[in-house]
Amino acid sequence: QVQLVESGGGVVQPGRSLRLSCAASGFNFRTYGMHWVRQAPGKGLEWVAVISYQGRNEYYADSVKGRFTISRDNSQNTLYLQMSSLRAEDTALYFCVKDETIEAGGGMDVWGRGTTVAVSS
Amino acid sequence: SNELTQPPSVSVSPGQTASISCSGDKLGDKYVCWYQQKPGQSPVLVISQDTKRPSGIPDRFSGSNSGNTATLTISGTQAMDEADYYCQAWDSRIVAFGGGTKLTVL
Repeated sequence: QVQLVESGGGVVQPGRSLRLSCAASGFNFRTYGMHWVRQAPGKGLEWVAVISYQGRNEYYADSVKGRFTISRDNSQNTLYLQMSSLRAEDTALYFCVKDETIEAGGGMDVWGRGTTVAVSS
Repeated sequence: SNELTQPPSVSVSPGQTASISCSGDKLGDKYVCWYQQKPGQSPVLVISQDTKRPSGIPDRFSGSNSGNTATLTISGTQAMDEADYYCQAWDSRIVAFGGGTKLTVL
């Protein structure tokens, strides 16, 4: 079945870095855009970043631009989020999400269960 | 502006129709999606491209979008529909989510 499994979350000090991974299975990963979306405890959904199917186009929320980098390895069916200069406000559950379309621009039709990132000293 | 505004809460009686609004500047010129999120679960896409229901979503869920407002309508609301609902749209290659609406089925 179609599945997204995130990993790499944990507790990290402010200013440090962390890399999240997302293993995709059950669909042709290389033909869909992919997103990261986060949700702070008790709060709503916040979009983080998107990458097109070949990785040529990346877009970011203003809140993470310059600090986070989204990437993908289509040979390994894996999506990544490299997070640096982490802040307390980056504390959230991070979801890996599949877009309905190649370049991304459609709905988000498959969601992982998320991995938790806690930024604290 | 890519800000999307939703009412924080909506209440509905079982079997009645629930409407959840999402407003934004010239929203009718963009495609809007809607997501349902139940406590402790990941969001689920219930409406795509303003009006399309993904496979497996009951036909009591419908959507519309015109002017500055998109609306998610749930006809014959059931207790299982109690959840948080989020609208989402693209604007200049940036994704925006609404703040979410808690639907209570009384």
